[in-house]
Amino acid sequence: DAGVIQSPRHEVTEMGQEVTLRCKPISGHNSLFWYRQTMMRGLELLIYFNNNVPIDDSGMPEDRFSAKMPNASFSTLKIQPSEPRDSAVYFCASSFKIADTEAFFGQGTRLTVV
Amino acid sequence: AQKITQTQPGMFVQEKEAVTLDCTYDTSDPSYGLFWYKQPSSGEMIFLIYQGSYDQQNATEGRYSLNFQKARKSANLVISASQLGDSAMYFCAMREGSLPNTGNQFYFGTGTSLTVIP
Repeated sequence: DAGVIQSPRHEVTEMGQEVTLRCKPISGHNSLFWYRQTMMRGLELLIYFNNNVPIDDSGMPEDRFSAKMPNASFSTLKIQPSEPRDSAVYFCASSFKIADTEAFFGQGTRLTVV
Repeated sequence: AQKITQTQPGMFVQEKEAVTLDCTYDTSDPSYGLFWYKQPSSGEMIFLIYQGSYDQQNATEGRYSLNFQKARKSANLVISASQLGDSAMYFCAMREGSLPNTGNQFYFGTGTSLTVIP
């Protein structure tokens, strides 16, 4: 099993540009989570999907952030326009939709907005 | 109220000694899972151990054990015989399971940074 695959691993972009982060969850998993990690705020849940449907997006910072899951094997997190304060490591994780199963994390995307 | 509380921002332990990382949780759901993750300096999140709310025995995985005290709502991670490679950030997490209108997201604590001293 290849695990959760995120791309790109690193992204450097200029302020104002659009950034798209991609995630391929583990096959068969029906929950997908997007997290942001910074030194100041720790690990924050941005949004999560069950069966490709967004369940809770209350963690999305503002309208500049959007996430989609068009099918069970692909999700995107888009930031438009990007700002320097968006610089962070963004993790995607997937799991089965039951309480006794762990989340499997991707390697993360380190985003730097200059 | 915080769902997961980790009160130790940083901990030090001598190599080969045991160390306990604290975690308390808050939920009214009778069915939940508790998880510990390790994040080394390389950044990946590594799942370590799981404890279910109905489990009668404390979970163990190699040198990791979870000291589950349900009445106190604590789920402390015990690492025995610490190794230099155990130096990392450790996160406690909870996932609720059964109440209507509760989501199944993972709630993470703020983490404890563990340093193993040679």
